[in-house]
Amino acid sequence: DAMVIQNPRYQVTQFGKPVTLSCSQTLNHNVMYWYQQKSSQAPKLLFHYYDKDFNNEADTPDNFQSRRPNTSFCFLDIRSPGLGDAAMYLCATSRDLGLSLAGTDTQYFGPGTRLTVL
Amino acid sequence: GEDVEQSLFLSVREGDSSVINCTYTDSSSTYLYWYKQEPGAGLQLLTYIFSNMDMKQDQRLTVLLNKKDKHLSLRIADTQTGDSAIYFCAESITDSWGKLQFGAGTQVVVTP
Repeated sequence: DAMVIQNPRYQVTQFGKPVTLSCSQTLNHNVMYWYQQKSSQAPKLLFHYYDKDFNNEADTPDNFQSRRPNTSFCFLDIRSPGLGDAAMYLCATSRDLGLSLAGTDTQYFGPGTRLTVL
Repeated sequence: GEDVEQSLFLSVREGDSSVINCTYTDSSSTYLYWYKQEPGAGLQLLTYIFSNMDMKQDQRLTVLLNKKDKHLSLRIADTQTGDSAIYFCAESITDSWGKLQFGAGTQVVVTP
């Protein structure tokens, strides 16, 4: 049973045309993350939500936004995609943040959305 | 800044053992993780180890942690063709709410 679901799996957009990627989870986890992964590289954290609190990484471009309307869903909006934004986008969840020793910050990833920018 | 290092490539024969190595930097990391990524897929959590442990075994997987040297390894026994993938080591950065710092990944190729 899928626990972290990403839709669509493949997304093609045009240069400059806004695009939204979707993530949902059935784990009832407090934290949801968005990562960008380019070919042959490690995933790069863009931002995360702890419940409704949004936390942006310092080097995430303004072109990337996120929304979390409820516990289950989180969206990644790319306002004006450039060719350099073509990548795999990974959503992940964890029960909590790594502020305890309980292991509740273990992150579970979805299958990813491969974004192509034409 | 923090850095997690892994060798980039490993070739192994089917049936042999694979050992993937990783060095990390945050001596106060509470958890260290191994993720597997198959082509075109997301990251699959394979196993993790708490920092007060030296070893963890889970079926064909054995994780060894040398905290003094900040060295983590993943051993896969009886490697199968389905084990061909990229393996990422990650540490939980204590000073940054447990943010994961990933290595660049080790591509494992299993040959018949």
